[in-house]
Amino acid sequence: DIQMTQSPSSLSASVGDRVTITCRASQSISSYLNWYQQKPGKAPKLLIYAASSLQSGVPSRFSGSGSGTHFTLTISSLQPEDFATYYCQQSYSTPRFTFGPGTKIDIK
Amino acid sequence: QLQLQESGPGLVKPSEALSLTCTVSGGSISSSDYYWGWIRQPPGKGLEWIGTIYYSGSAYYSPSLKSRLTISVDTSKNQFSLKLTSVTAADTAVYYCAGAAAGTDGMDVWGQGTAVTVSS
Repeated sequence: DIQMTQSPSSLSASVGDRVTITCRASQSISSYLNWYQQKPGKAPKLLIYAASSLQSGVPSRFSGSGSGTHFTLTISSLQPEDFATYYCQQSYSTPRFTFGPGTKIDIK
Repeated sequence: QLQLQESGPGLVKPSEALSLTCTVSGGSISSSDYYWGWIRQPPGKGLEWIGTIYYSGSAYYSPSLKSRLTISVDTSKNQFSLKLTSVTAADTAVYYCAGAAAGTDGMDVWGQGTAVTVSS
């Protein structure tokens, strides 16, 4: 099975900060990597698919990069509504998926 | 616009079966544009993929749940369902159904989630 890790597990940041989250896969997954945002009490929301493609309606301050085993999600200028938990998910073994453990962004 | 809605009991006794249904509206569950999945989230923890089903009925399960899990689809009702047997407190979670776009493999439509507690 493909295992996913994320770092950091949590971070504190301020509005306007540039934030980068890292996701690593236990084996090469090419670009089969998705990113989700989840706010408390809400369902996850797809932000990025195929490592770097922005989902329709998602602000352009979100971007993704990487391939193989190392991926990043970057928020160029953190906004108040971006304080949430972010999960990566591999879709290389579709239709079997694995989520990363999550990275929580809170207010500094 | 596709919408998903989970339904089922919020409380299940240990050793019994947990059954949930996801109703798809705003589109056909038989569309080749999507396939369907279940994801759960224990209190205070991360997301866990449970299983995936295609409208044809082909189903794929998490290895850790495979022996207790059945996912099925009813195209006539535009629904897919989950049945998890022999539940324990470890199965207490919010259960989400989701649709994954066939072209991107991203889960871009989700139900609101339903909380299930396993307790006597």
